[in-house]
Amino acid sequence: AQSVTQLDSHVSVSEGTPVLLRCNYSSSYSPSLFWYVQHPNKGLQLLLKYTSAATLVKGINGFEAEFKKSETSFHLTKPSAHMSDAAEYFCVVSDYARGYQKVTFGTGTKLQVIP
Amino acid sequence: DTAVSQTPKYLVTQMGNDKSIKCEQNLGHDTMYWYKQDSKKFLKIMFSYNNKELIINETVPNRFSPKSPDKAHLNLHINSLELGDSAVYFCASSQDGATYEQYFGPGTRLTVT
Repeated sequence: AQSVTQLDSHVSVSEGTPVLLRCNYSSSYSPSLFWYVQHPNKGLQLLLKYTSAATLVKGINGFEAEFKKSETSFHLTKPSAHMSDAAEYFCVVSDYARGYQKVTFGTGTKLQVIP
Repeated sequence: DTAVSQTPKYLVTQMGNDKSIKCEQNLGHDTMYWYKQDSKKFLKIMFSYNNKELIINETVPNRFSPKSPDKAHLNLHINSLELGDSAVYFCASSQDGATYEQYFGPGTRLTVT
């Protein structure tokens, strides 16, 4: 079975402090994992992805995520939040089984950055 | 050039009407998708097309019908619109395979009155 759980629906941080957005997944196969960002009234944009290479993945705008198979987690982090990081973030799991691709989106985490 | 484009950006219509949303991608991708995002930002995959064949249909009402005239286009037609269809609809495309990311269009905000 495939699923993804974003543990926080809202996260609020002060500008300049670290960001942690949590994601746990379930997959019966070797999954690929993604983080997307959606700014207000915009489409989704890829931040980073894990595809069975290095477990620590670096993305755009200073974000990174670490794939931990033992914990079935793929948490997104950034050392220092910027006002422009305020957005909705989606964790996504994707695998390929029985001839077709299955993709599941998490329910999203809204990141608020306080000046 | 816009990679994935959708038209229209906004669509306001009355219950019972039929409407279409168009999507085009210029990335040469094999797979295209339609998603529905509700007011709580939940994203639900509705359809995906690979090489002009439907490969996933996520139990959406049959009032919704995807139409793919060629690999670069996947249009969404909706019959007998209902209030609950109000949402933002996103088109996306990707290369075929689980390791490839999706590229999203800007969305179409559908309001049914």
